[in-house]
Amino acid sequence: RKEVEQDPGPFNVPEGATVAFNCTYSNSASQSFFWYRQDCRKEPKLLMSVYSSGNEDGRFTAQLNRASQYISLLIRDSKLSDSATYLCVVKPRRGSTLGRLYFGRGTQLTVWP
Amino acid sequence: EAGVTQFPSHSVIEKGQTVTLRCDPISGHDNLYWYRRVMGKEIKFLLHFVKESKQDESGMPNNRFLAERTGGTYSTLKVQPAELEDSGVYFCASSQVQGGTEAFFGQGTRLTVV
Repeated sequence: RKEVEQDPGPFNVPEGATVAFNCTYSNSASQSFFWYRQDCRKEPKLLMSVYSSGNEDGRFTAQLNRASQYISLLIRDSKLSDSATYLCVVKPRRGSTLGRLYFGRGTQLTVWP
Repeated sequence: EAGVTQFPSHSVIEKGQTVTLRCDPISGHDNLYWYRRVMGKEIKFLLHFVKESKQDESGMPNNRFLAERTGGTYSTLKVQPAELEDSGVYFCASSQVQGGTEAFFGQGTRLTVV
């Protein structure tokens, strides 16, 4: 079983739409959770960390459900520039050092005008 | 400030040849990681350096892969001899010593073994 599972999509939505991505992780002891964004042929970049209480950054909202081992990302009012692959990332271990990360395969989003 | 830089950006080699990838982390980042993405699969961890020491090399696929970080600055990843299944994008990332919650990635080296 993979450490992190994501629906690869693709998701094709019009500008202004709301879109949600989901991800599940297998290790119940996992400590930290992130969403990274990767543009085509570019490096992954941190979009946002995911906190237990849920957190919001502008149009982006991340949620964590530890009981279900489930992470979500909601994008409201989609922009053309949101087109990218969104990677669900999990840090399995305790400790102050970031350490090894586990990645999902990514969910591809295309926003069309 | 310069980000994580990797060299080369692309490499095409024949099966059986040797290739060496280089990564320069962000200055001051003691943690350096190598990851690999094979086509159609997720990004997978290879190994983690803290300064010049290998903290975790459990993701290295086999002994054809050798990573070094002499002096705790830049790192190299050598594949010798290369096999077809080694093709993919090799990413390097770095993070701060303590409390870092973000891994900063380089743009990757796209390796094709033919």
